[in-house]
Amino acid sequence: DVKVTQSSRYLVKRTGEKVFLECVQDMDHENMFWYRQDPGLGLRLIYFSYDVKMKEKGDIPEGYSVSREKKERFSLILESASTNQTSMYLCASAYFGGTRNTGELFFGEGSRLTVL
Amino acid sequence: SQQGEEDPQALSIQEGENATMNCSYKTSINNLQWYRQNSGRGLVQLILIRSNEREKHSGRLRVTLDTSKKSSSLLITASRAADTASYFCAPHSSYKLIFGSGTRLLVRP
Repeated sequence: DVKVTQSSRYLVKRTGEKVFLECVQDMDHENMFWYRQDPGLGLRLIYFSYDVKMKEKGDIPEGYSVSREKKERFSLILESASTNQTSMYLCASAYFGGTRNTGELFFGEGSRLTVL
Repeated sequence: SQQGEEDPQALSIQEGENATMNCSYKTSINNLQWYRQNSGRGLVQLILIRSNEREKHSGRLRVTLDTSKKSSSLLITASRAADTASYFCAPHSSYKLIFGSGTRLLVRP
């Protein structure tokens, strides 16, 4: 079974702190994604990566950066956390090419971040 | 945007009844996927229907796709309390999926 693991289920940080959210997948997927989920707004794409060291902005990249140094790991970084970044963060991975392509995203369990 | 828009936003039914959720989107797609999310958890794919398919079944789930109307529906038959969750459609035409706000389904015992 595909497994996507997010390092922390719950985090509490203070305004201005630097926050790292880590995500690891074990299925050799090229594509990895970070979404945030807020009530009434659904899932919004922050960043995605289609290969090591490659990244593309999603719909709401402001205030975030990402790092993909290894294929299995995709990190979301909040350089200076703010209260409006309090949210549920969901990581996902997928394989979109060749015979294995189903287009399915595999999600982690989520990281609920509270910024005070 | 290829974002799917689900309707209704919330649905409350009695156990044993059928639940129907609808999805509309704006662009051409390769496939459309439906996902389920239990409260406070990640999303799990339920079913994928390709653009050249009109209907697909999986257990108690039935999905239809009308590409001419850019719409899809998810039917859950004989609902159970354990079906209580949020349901999202995700139109897929490139290397990313955009999700809408979902339909929150409550199945009352």
